[in-house]
Amino acid sequence: DAGVIQSPRHEVTEMGQEVTLRCKPISGHDYLFWYRQTMMRGLELLIYFNNNVPIDDSGMPEDRFSAKMPNASFSTLKIQPSEPRDSAVYFCASSPGGVQGYTFGSGTRLTVV
Amino acid sequence: SQQGEEDPQALSIQEGENATMNCSYKTSINNLQWYRQNSGRGLVHLILIRSNEREKHSGRLRVTLDTSKKSSSLLITASRAADTASYFCATGAYSGAGSYQLTFGKGTKLSVIP
Repeated sequence: DAGVIQSPRHEVTEMGQEVTLRCKPISGHDYLFWYRQTMMRGLELLIYFNNNVPIDDSGMPEDRFSAKMPNASFSTLKIQPSEPRDSAVYFCASSPGGVQGYTFGSGTRLTVV
Repeated sequence: SQQGEEDPQALSIQEGENATMNCSYKTSINNLQWYRQNSGRGLVHLILIRSNEREKHSGRLRVTLDTSKKSSSLLITASRAADTASYFCATGAYSGAGSYQLTFGKGTKLSVIP
């Protein structure tokens, strides 16, 4: 099992550009989560999906952020337009459900200049 | 907020010593989990303790949970340099809408000096 796979590992973009982060969850995991980690705010839940359906997107900071899960093996988090304050490490995690632990990807370090 | 808060924020010990990290939270929980994050990597799940459990062991890890005090502790015995990482507690609970959420604290940064 390759675990949760995220791409790219690093992304540097200019303010105003569109950024797309990608995630492949563990096969068989019904839940997928997008988190953002910064020094100031720690780890924040942005949105999560159950069986490809968005369940709670209350953590998405603004309309500039959107997430999709077109199938059980792929999800994207898009920021359009990007701003310097979006700079952070974005993690994707998946879980089989219930109260079990989450498996995290290695993250995407986003820098918006 | 039910977000856990770890204490201390940073801890430095000698190899072979025990490391204790604490976590406090504010509302009722279903379970509490501990994760480790090495520099530049994702979080790794270490151990889960349910709200009806008081203590749990896994290898050199020992976790306690006191729901009356809304607190938990993570003990790492006989620490090794490889234990150097940030450790996060996460509280799991069901919201009013019935969805389950895991909320993370800001972590304790542990440094184990060889």
